[in-house]
Amino acid sequence: KNEVEQSPQNLTAQEGEFITINCSYSVGISALHWLQQHPGGGIVSLFMLSSGKKKHGRLIATINIQEKHSSLHITASHPRDSAVYICAVRSNQGAQKLVFGQGTRLTINP
Amino acid sequence: EAGVTQSPTHLIKTRGQQATLRCSPISGHTSVYWYQQALGLGLQFLLWYDEGEERNRGNFPPRFSGRQFPNYSSELNVNALELEDSALYLCASSSGLLYSNQPQHFGDGTRLSIL
Repeated sequence: KNEVEQSPQNLTAQEGEFITINCSYSVGISALHWLQQHPGGGIVSLFMLSSGKKKHGRLIATINIQEKHSSLHITASHPRDSAVYICAVRSNQGAQKLVFGQGTRLTINP
Repeated sequence: EAGVTQSPTHLIKTRGQQATLRCSPISGHTSVYWYQQALGLGLQFLLWYDEGEERNRGNFPPRFSGRQFPNYSSELNVNALELEDSALYLCASSSGLLYSNQPQHFGDGTRLSIL
């Protein structure tokens, strides 16, 4: 079993819909990252959080440390949000490396 | 401010050759991370350098190696290339050990193709 599991693997929605991507992890963490990867490969860091909730524009990320679960929400989705969204965790054992989920491929149709 | 820059963008090699990939971190960042993203697989941690030293290494064979220079730029070297080394190699940088919970900023990657 992977240390970081994302769901769903693929998600297709219509423009304007509210999107939720989930991430569960099995290790103790010091931080959780949500990343966005567009075709071509470049990665943009969306959020880094260790507790509670963060919001940036139409994006909201939440984390529940006790349940070892995080969600990424997109409100009023737009075709330009189409990308792969990746959850990554940093272990609290001081290793500094990130452990990644397999990613969620999001497609927003106009 | 320039982001993380990687070169080359694309690299084509044949089996048995050696490849060198380069990464320049964001100014002021002392930590550089290397990741591999093979087709159909998720991102895998390769190497972490900070202040010129290798701090951690992922589950990769010794033919994957690297170094970090005094200006904090880094090279990833892959020797005796195999077909399964074909992947996107991503570099990320962050503030160093003293700031251990800083976000990592990613470059656009080098796509390595082995023929």
